[in-house]
Amino acid sequence: NAGVTQTPKFQVLKTGQSMTLQCAQDMNHEYMSWYRQDPGMGLRLIHYSVGAGITDQGEVPNGYNVSRSTTEDFPLRLLSAAPSQTSVYFCASSYSQPSGGVDEQFFGPGTRLTVL
Amino acid sequence: TQLLEQSPQFLSIQEGENLTVYCNSSSVFSSLQWYRQEPGEGPVLLVTVVTGGEVKKLKRLTFQFGDARKDSSLHITAAQPGDTGLYLCAGAAPGTYKYIFGTGTRLKVLA
Repeated sequence: NAGVTQTPKFQVLKTGQSMTLQCAQDMNHEYMSWYRQDPGMGLRLIHYSVGAGITDQGEVPNGYNVSRSTTEDFPLRLLSAAPSQTSVYFCASSYSQPSGGVDEQFFGPGTRLTVL
Repeated sequence: TQLLEQSPQFLSIQEGENLTVYCNSSSVFSSLQWYRQEPGEGPVLLVTVVTGGEVKKLKRLTFQFGDARKDSSLHITAAQPGDTGLYLCAGAAPGTYKYIFGTGTRLKVLA
């Protein structure tokens, strides 16, 4: 079991460039999510998905797009990178409960993104 | 808007001391999760508390969920250098999947 994998580990972009952060899990989890972590601000939810074809916005969705075509993959797209998107990005997956909430969230190793 | 406030933000203590970390909100949560994160890695779950008033123990760590399910605490007895890390609480409002995280408590235990 690889768990949750993220690529790339590091990325430097110029303002205005676009890119996709990849996330995959092999635990057959329905729930997947993207967070960003900035110094002193904990983790903030960007987007999440409770199953293939279903996505929803989190706390800070602006400037990011997601799609969930398979259970395994949940890519995060930056449409036009801005310096404010410099951060560490974590993907997580979990089993979800029918009435809300999830079990243990398993996190990937993170992608450190710098936007110049 | 739901918020989870953690205190203290930073804590530096000597090996063998006890400490308590707090996670407070004005909102009700269906459950609260506690994670520990080490530098360069993703958070790892320590425990989930579900029932108001619940107390869970994990070796030297004791977790409590408030009766009203709005707050939680983490108590570490006889801290060790291996306890060093960033401690995060997280939760979602009842019936939702939208998780929020606290700002974290950065703990350093000196040998």
